[in-house]
Amino acid sequence: AQKITQTQPGMFVQEKEAVTLDCTYDTSDPSYGLFWYKQPSSGEMIFLIYQGSYDQQNATEGRYSLNFQKARKSANLVISASQLGDSAMYFCAMREVYSSASKIIFGSGTRLSIRP
Amino acid sequence: ETGVTQTPRHLVMGMTNKKSLKCEQHLGHNAMYWYKQSAKKPLELMFVYNFKEQTENNSVPSRFSPECPNSSHLFLHLHTLQPEDSALYLCASSQKTGSGETQYFGPGTRLLVL
Repeated sequence: AQKITQTQPGMFVQEKEAVTLDCTYDTSDPSYGLFWYKQPSSGEMIFLIYQGSYDQQNATEGRYSLNFQKARKSANLVISASQLGDSAMYFCAMREVYSSASKIIFGSGTRLSIRP
Repeated sequence: ETGVTQTPRHLVMGMTNKKSLKCEQHLGHNAMYWYKQSAKKPLELMFVYNFKEQTENNSVPSRFSPECPNSSHLFLHLHTLQPEDSALYLCASSQKTGSGETQYFGPGTRLLVL
């Protein structure tokens, strides 16, 4: 069963607008971590933001924020004031603490394109 | 050098060749990983090393042979590959801390097998 689902294969957004990238996950582990990574066309996976399952507040890092809705098992990434350099693939990922502690499961990704 | 570096960045090889991919992390981490990213597929974990010991082999064919001489260096030795092995190979490292443990990735090696 797929554990990380990203339902938007591609999105187009006008520059300076905010954008929300969807991510839902499935786990029975009470302790887990959620991550978002950005992958530009150069290939490198760039860590953006982390949310722990017990964190009371939504994570924020600069223009990135994570809209964590635990009951819905969703962890959407919000990018405020989008820029041309935000055009890339975005991957949602999860680590379950009680499974293999090293294993991060990645979603299939969303390709974000920012229009000038 | 900072972060995680990988060489070469691009590699073209024939099916009978032997080549090696190199990864080096400058972050003081104690775990290193190899991932394969094929077109239109999610990232696939291949191998995990903790403190130089291999702790995970995700059913990877034996034509891929990893080596971790120390906690800063990781190699992936390639021999008699198939065209379907063409992909982006990403190395990552992390510091073992629990659920918040974040993996940091290198720029990847784009491999083409002819």
